[in-house]
Amino acid sequence: EDKVVQSPLSLVVHEGDTVTLNCSYEVTNFRSLLWYKQEKKAPTFLFMLTSSGIEKKSGRLSSILDKKELFSILNITATQTGDSAVYLCAGVNRDDKIIFGKGTRLHILP
Amino acid sequence: SAVISQKPSRDICQRGTSLTIQCQVDSQVTMMFWYRQQPGQSLTLIATANQGSEATYESGFVIDKFPISRPNLTFSTLTVSNMSPEDSSIYLCSVNSRGLATTLDTQYFGPGTRLTVL
Repeated sequence: EDKVVQSPLSLVVHEGDTVTLNCSYEVTNFRSLLWYKQEKKAPTFLFMLTSSGIEKKSGRLSSILDKKELFSILNITATQTGDSAVYLCAGVNRDDKIIFGKGTRLHILP
Repeated sequence: SAVISQKPSRDICQRGTSLTIQCQVDSQVTMMFWYRQQPGQSLTLIATANQGSEATYESGFVIDKFPISRPNLTFSTLTVSNMSPEDSSIYLCSVNSRGLATTLDTQYFGPGTRLTVL
């Protein structure tokens, strides 16, 4: 059965710290991996990763995929209170089916 | 990216009643997806709504409980029927960028409907 496992489930850090969120996946006919930020209701798209070893960056956020180890990480540097959210990782297969992880709840203390 | 709107944004309903959630997309898409996110859980796909055909339901979800309409390429409804407190969730409409005029391949979500069943 396809599954996506995220760790840690929750994380509390101080503003300015750097955090690394982990995502491991087992997805048959894997096509891509997605990262989302969910603050209230709707997840907002962060990154789509399809190739191993190519880092994607957006401001203080970056992510990379390891297709050999079936793993991805999301890094956030110089965290701010506005980064507090649930971060969701999802694997996509070739039939466009999306399997979500349970998310990492990140709380940034001022 | 797609602009997706949902109505209502939230509702509080009595056990045994039904609620219909509407989803509108600003562009034509082949497939629209309905997700549920129960408290503290991740997103679970309920069904895929294709225009002009029956919706495809995931394991554990049935049409009698979650009837879906897809009258055109920009609109869909999800009804939560005969509600119980276990149906209290966020319900999210979603589209895949494969159905849009873009090369970006990802999934976009509507703002969600927060449903509380008493």
